[in-house]
Amino acid sequence: QQPVQSPQAVILREGEDAVINCSSSKALYSVHWYRQKHGEAPVFLMILLKGGEQKGHEKISASFNEKKQQSSLYLTASQLSYSGTYFCGTGLQGAQKLVFGQGTRLTINP
Amino acid sequence: NAGVTQTPKFRVLKTGQSMTLLCAQDMNHEYMYWYRQDPGMGLRLIHYSVGEGTTAKGEVPDGYNVSRLKKQNFLLGLESAAPSQTSVYFCASTPPSSYEQYFGPGTRLTVT
Repeated sequence: QQPVQSPQAVILREGEDAVINCSSSKALYSVHWYRQKHGEAPVFLMILLKGGEQKGHEKISASFNEKKQQSSLYLTASQLSYSGTYFCGTGLQGAQKLVFGQGTRLTINP
Repeated sequence: NAGVTQTPKFRVLKTGQSMTLLCAQDMNHEYMYWYRQDPGMGLRLIHYSVGEGTTAKGEVPDGYNVSRLKKQNFLLGLESAAPSQTSVYFCASTPPSSYEQYFGPGTRLTVT
């Protein structure tokens, strides 16, 4: 079953923070985050595994709440380059076969 | 390394025609995937392969067939194209020691 992402779209000014949520009704083994710019292929951001630690680098980080089967992606002090559509992909029995959410479109304005 | 490449980039088919999409990777990856992407639907897995000679069904396999005769290539076939198969098709691959999926540039297919 497809995970649900929220919000569907968000518009920010450069320097503001954003949180994108991903929720599943099934017990998850892994949550993956990808970013896709218009007309391009998705690009891997990070993965969170069951029992693993919160991931992140610089201003983009993510958490995984195993009890709620939810993951959140945090973008702090957003930059223009952060614009794009963010997808979460959830793995049930392993981390290779994923079911992706419908995406969250993030627009960063100057 | 060219990474993951897809052929062709664009294609227009008439209903009932057949075609094959080619995905090639030069990174010696074990896992390969075919997705379709439709507006508002995200990426949906069609078929995938965990190694040469093996394939498995994903979420939306109906109307598609695949083959992985060589480790570096993963072919997606449409035997009788339908307008509902109009979409952007992405191929991806993953090395066995990693979970990161490397995506190809996509193929935009229109079925009229």
